[in-house]
Amino acid sequence: DAGITQSPRHKVTETGTPVTLRCHQTENHRYMYWYRQDPGHGLRLIHYSYGVKDTDKGEVSDGYSVSRSKTEDFLLTLESATSSQTSVYFCAISVAGEGTDTQYFGPGTRLTVL
Amino acid sequence: AQSVTQLDSHVSVSEGTPVLLRCNYSSSYSPSLFWYVQHPNKGLQLLLKYTSAATLVKGINGFEAEFKKSETSFHLTKPSAHMSDAAEYFCVVSEDGSQGNLIFGKGTKLSVKP
Repeated sequence: DAGITQSPRHKVTETGTPVTLRCHQTENHRYMYWYRQDPGHGLRLIHYSYGVKDTDKGEVSDGYSVSRSKTEDFLLTLESATSSQTSVYFCAISVAGEGTDTQYFGPGTRLTVL
Repeated sequence: AQSVTQLDSHVSVSEGTPVLLRCNYSSSYSPSLFWYVQHPNKGLQLLLKYTSAATLVKGINGFEAEFKKSETSFHLTKPSAHMSDAAEYFCVVSEDGSQGNLIFGKGTKLSVKP
């Protein structure tokens, strides 16, 4: 799991509430990514970060925001959760020297929005 | 625009028989191609990666994949399936300079019968 932890691992919340998912890495990797996984869709990129306070949007960024105030933590926030955001969320990192496209994934967070 | 198509959503084989998981890609530039495996309720693990060094790529657990530019294919094979190979497999494409924006196929679920 490349030294990546995600918290919480499971969460159930209600529509309209804010939710923050945390990705933590211990090896000082510069690039971090957030994906969502839905049946029949594979994984889709939500946001990524290429350094502290440097982030950019991915394919499915609507309804999500991110923050990276220190190298080891990349936070994903759902400002007002909707049922369509029920999904499994994966954080990933890429390792310097292997290229940004070689990514290693965390264990995932299963989010249910009721 | 780049894309990847996994031709089978579900493949079933008997233990000890060969495995073939098919993947076609579309890319305007020189792609990097990957196969990831996901066991039930687990994160994704990198099986192998193609980056133009060699067209036949060997990965972990006896898997290999061959890049065929003329056919725009990157099929995953294994000579003899084990029960532990039962999982979902994702073919992934990335383009140079994409800062790690990976495009995932929808996945192929591999079942292995005793």
